[in-house]
Amino acid sequence: EIVLTQSPATLSLSPGERATLSCRTGQSVGSYLAWYQQKPGQAPRLVIYDASNRATGIPARFSGSGSGTDFTLTISSLEPEDFAVYYCQQRAGLTFGGGTKVEIK
Amino acid sequence: QVQLQESGPGLVKPSETLSLTCTVSGGSISSYYWSWIRQPPGKGLEWIGYVSHTGSANYNSSLARRVTLSVDTSNKQFSLKVNYVTAADTAVYYCARSRSSSFPDYFDYWGQGTVVTVSS
Repeated sequence: EIVLTQSPATLSLSPGERATLSCRTGQSVGSYLAWYQQKPGQAPRLVIYDASNRATGIPARFSGSGSGTDFTLTISSLEPEDFAVYYCQQRAGLTFGGGTKVEIK
Repeated sequence: QVQLQESGPGLVKPSETLSLTCTVSGGSISSYYWSWIRQPPGKGLEWIGYVSHTGSANYNSSLARRVTLSVDTSNKQFSLKVNYVTAADTAVYYCARSRSSSFPDYFDYWGQGTVVTVSS
């Protein structure tokens, strides 16, 4: 099973700031990685798939990069609605990382 | 717009079987891969398994011995059974659809989730 490790566990930022989230996989997954956003009491929402493709309806301030074992989700300028928990997920075994909480500083 | 809705008992006794159903509306259940994912209170997401529209299934190895997935295309439903449940199976259970119709990959449509508590 491929293990996904997300860092940091918590990111404390202010609206308007840039958020950089990391996901490392235990072995290469190529470009087959997705990112999800989850708000309290809601189901996760697909944000990025295949490392860098924005899902339908996702604003351009969200971008993904990386390949192999190191991936990054960047939110260029945080909006109030972006504060949430973000999970990465790899396509081969469908496993998820432990999540990064982006909270208001 | 595709919509998924989970249904089933919210309380299950230890050692018994947890059974949930997901009903698909607004789209076809044919093609695509249909998954169950759970989230224990305050914790992260765990993929449980998927079933295709043909009925072939694949499971998370950590749960494979206790889990069965099935599909009923005529009623646009797919189901989850977890045998011999313990308190560790207490979670919010989500059903979800794969983004690709050709292979299981990412999850683009999700149900709202249903809370299942294992307790006597």
